[in-house]
Amino acid sequence: SQQGEEDPQALSIQEGENATMNCSYKTSINNLQWYRQNSGRGLVHLILIRSNEREKHSGRLRVTLDTSKKSSSLLITASRAADTASYFCATGNTGGFKTIFGAGTRLFVKA
Amino acid sequence: DVKVTQSSRYLVKRTGEKVFLECVQDMDHENMFWYRQDPGLGLRLIYFSYDVKMKEKGDIPEGYSVSREKKERFSLILESASTNQTSMYLCASSLWGRLGGVETQYFGPGTRLLVL
Repeated sequence: SQQGEEDPQALSIQEGENATMNCSYKTSINNLQWYRQNSGRGLVHLILIRSNEREKHSGRLRVTLDTSKKSSSLLITASRAADTASYFCATGNTGGFKTIFGAGTRLFVKA
Repeated sequence: DVKVTQSSRYLVKRTGEKVFLECVQDMDHENMFWYRQDPGLGLRLIYFSYDVKMKEKGDIPEGYSVSREKKERFSLILESASTNQTSMYLCASSLWGRLGGVETQYFGPGTRLLVL
């Protein structure tokens, strides 16, 4: 089974609303990252949170990490149609080269 | 800005053909990766390279090989393409993180390969 599993698999909201996506993982991690992928394109790195951090902000993005529950959430505030994309969480380990990606959440923001 | 380019956006090949996918990055990154992406399966690592001529197998290396003769270029080779290798192939590059692991990866636009 995959290390990172996003929830929900798909989300449809109106422009201006907030979107929350969750990620759960199974093993100890050094960091957790969120990426965005527009349809048929490569992934774009959004934010990285380390295992000793609990919350991080970047513009309209807010990421939380709860290592005791092995979970993270990505909040996009005041969503825009341009936020329509798939969002992936990915986990990394100290000294390791493998970053394990989840299957993603598809977000659709209606104008 | 980091730029990672891939040689083709779309590729159609026949079963049994040898296929080369090329990736070039312009930021002097040590690490380069090849992933394949299939619906519902996320990204799966095929191969990783941490230096010229160095490589490590990922989770699904069977049926693939790689070549890294120059730091900026990482090639994925399908020796004899099969229909189950129809997929989206993504290349990425990164530096080592400050704690020694891989952190932020920069991705190319992807190559959508169809094997008939």
